[in-house]
Amino acid sequence: DSGVTQTPKHLITATGQRVTLRCSPRSGDLSVYWYQQSLDQGLQFLIQYYNGEERAKGNILERFSAQQFPDLHSELNLSSLELGDSALYFCASSGRPGGQSYNEQFFGPGTRLTVL
Amino acid sequence: DQQVKQNSPSLSVQEGRISILNCDYTNSMFDYFLWYKKYPAEGPTFLISISSIKDKNEDGRFTVFLNKSAKHLSLHIVPSQPGDSAVYFCAASAWGQNFVFGPGTRLSVLP
Repeated sequence: DSGVTQTPKHLITATGQRVTLRCSPRSGDLSVYWYQQSLDQGLQFLIQYYNGEERAKGNILERFSAQQFPDLHSELNLSSLELGDSALYFCASSGRPGGQSYNEQFFGPGTRLTVL
Repeated sequence: DQQVKQNSPSLSVQEGRISILNCDYTNSMFDYFLWYKKYPAEGPTFLISISSIKDKNEDGRFTVFLNKSAKHLSLHIVPSQPGDSAVYFCAASAWGQNFVFGPGTRLSVLP
C-alpha cells in the first residue's frame, strides 16, 4: 500500500460527459502528479501540483483540468469525453519535506475510465 | 518525440539468471532517473533511482547503471525470481519536475 488513494476505482460513462477523479496523497506529501496510461502505452504525464499551485504541465488536453485543494487532495476533471479518453488514470505523490525520497513518486492504484 | 525509450517491449529470463532492462533517453537536461515496477491492476511501485552525478546505484538484487555520455541506463536484477515478473518503467526528470516515463518492458521470469 503506497498510501495514495484514488476514487473511484472504475468509472463508465458516455461520450460528451464530464467526470471527476479524486486523489489523496500520502500524508505529508506536497506534490501531486496525474498520469494517463492508455492501452499498451506508457505513462503520459499530465500535470503536477505542489502545495496547491500548478508546478508543471505535460500532455494535458484543454478539455482536462486539475486542482489541488488546501488539504492537498487533488481532483482531475475530464470534460467532453471522447472514446479515446478511455484509459487508466494514475495519481502519484511525492515531496515529503525533509525526506530522502523527495524525487520518488508513490502511485495510487489508479482509476479505470471507460468511455462508451 | 519519445524522450525516454525502452526498446524491448518484453523480456524472458530463466529464474536465477540475470535480467537486464535497458532504457535510453534523449534529453541531456535529465538529472534523475528512476525505475518502477508495475503489476497488473496496481499502480507503479518505485524500485530504485540514480542521480546523474553517479554511475551506479545498488539496492539488494537491483542495480541501476547510468552512462551519461551514451544517454543510457540499465537495470540489473540478480538473481531473477518469478515474483519479479512485471512491467518495468524507466523514468527521467529534470530538476525534480516533468517526469517522463518510457513505454515499459514486460519481464517474465520463468521457473
